[in-house]
Amino acid sequence: EAQVTQNPRYLITVTGKKLTVTCSQNMNHEYMSWYRQDPGLGLRQIYYSMNVEVTDKGDVPEGYKVSRKEKRNFPLILESPSPNQTSLYFCASSHTRTVLGAAFFGQGTRLTVV
Amino acid sequence: QKEVEQDPGPLSVPEGAIVSLNCTYSNSAFQYFMWYRQYSRKGPELLMYTYSSGNKEDGRFTAQVDKSSKYISLFIRDSQPSDSATYLCAMKSQGGSEKLVFGKGTKLTVNP
Repeated sequence: EAQVTQNPRYLITVTGKKLTVTCSQNMNHEYMSWYRQDPGLGLRQIYYSMNVEVTDKGDVPEGYKVSRKEKRNFPLILESPSPNQTSLYFCASSHTRTVLGAAFFGQGTRLTVV
Repeated sequence: QKEVEQDPGPLSVPEGAIVSLNCTYSNSAFQYFMWYRQYSRKGPELLMYTYSSGNKEDGRFTAQVDKSSKYISLFIRDSQPSDSATYLCAMKSQGGSEKLVFGKGTKLTVNP
């Protein structure tokens, strides 16, 4: 089954403790992206990747890092999480540049930073 | 002025109604226009996308872009309770800074 898989689904952590949210797709898509979704602010793009080792900032990249060492994986790294990074995070992928990695979405990761 | 504006609703219609969902935008560089559906506690799913102006139809869904007015619409014909969800519009420019910008979504309920 074609899918984008994120882990973990739920995470509660403390301020400053580094964490990684993994994302993997099995569709051989070149484009992948990360979003955060907050009430009243909608869905905002954090980073996107157009291929292995090619990444670019979205609208809200501050406090986040990404890497794309393999085509199927695109982890999101929070080096020093803060409470304002409490949010619902989505990873997504696409085969076309048109939607810039936002065709197939994962199930979401609900992150709480205390 | 926000780049993409979308009325959050909520919008409630009876089953079988024609639904019209809309977004306006301010950035004239936007060339690609997308519509997503998001069920509660799920990730968004891409319904359709269009390039530049015009209409695109896919089953009961029709996307319309009017670049002169900076206005896009999604029409749902013969709406069903299963269409109850939040609908998000999104836009992207071509070349340059290719960020994908989303509207905040319109919550739709179709009542049986």
